[in-house]
Amino acid sequence: ETGVTQTPRHLVMGMTNKKSLKCEQHLGHNAMYWYKQSAKKPLELMFVYSLEERVENNSVPSRFSPECPNSSHLFLHLHTLQPEDSALYLCASSQDRSVGGYTFGSGTRLTVV
Amino acid sequence: SQQGEEDPQALSIQEGENATMNCSYKTSINNLQWYRQNSGRGLVHLILIRSNEREKHSGRLRVTLDTSKKSSSLLITASRAADTASYFCATDKGGGADGLTFGKGTHLIIQP
Repeated sequence: ETGVTQTPRHLVMGMTNKKSLKCEQHLGHNAMYWYKQSAKKPLELMFVYSLEERVENNSVPSRFSPECPNSSHLFLHLHTLQPEDSALYLCASSQDRSVGGYTFGSGTRLTVV
Repeated sequence: SQQGEEDPQALSIQEGENATMNCSYKTSINNLQWYRQNSGRGLVHLILIRSNEREKHSGRLRVTLDTSKKSSSLLITASRAADTASYFCATDKGGGADGLTFGKGTHLIIQP
């Protein structure tokens, strides 16, 4: 375990479903991130939170909705997804936004059917 | 456009040999980082090199950075089967903006 825990590990959902991905860290980090990893593409930064405030939203479709209720938890709410949204969704945290390396969770493998 | 691009895309070597992977990037950076990812898992941070550093070592890893050429290399010496993984470079532009920008990675296979 890296200190960043993601649940669930695997998720299969229909296009009309609503589901949420959860990320939790108890490393005392102040910044948290959502990345999307699709086959044969670089990791895509989706959202950045610093001290529970969203500071970056990389033109992500509104069917993805992040939530950061406190500095230890980060959610990604999903609704009316498309099959092309199938990917590995990775959560990461860092001490601060501009300092040091990231600690990643193991990811949630999402399949949209 | 993609910030970091690793080269080669795939590399297969014998156990005990050295593995070298390269990364090129386009914009100025605050630091550059290397990560490893085992199949379908999260990324693990390996090493960070700042823009004012030229070389850094950590165990069997050696990283170089040439800011004039906007390139970096990762050398893994005396490779082991457990080093089989994908390796990514990531750039940090500094100022807290944009998060880390990753390349597509190099898939390294160590043949026993």
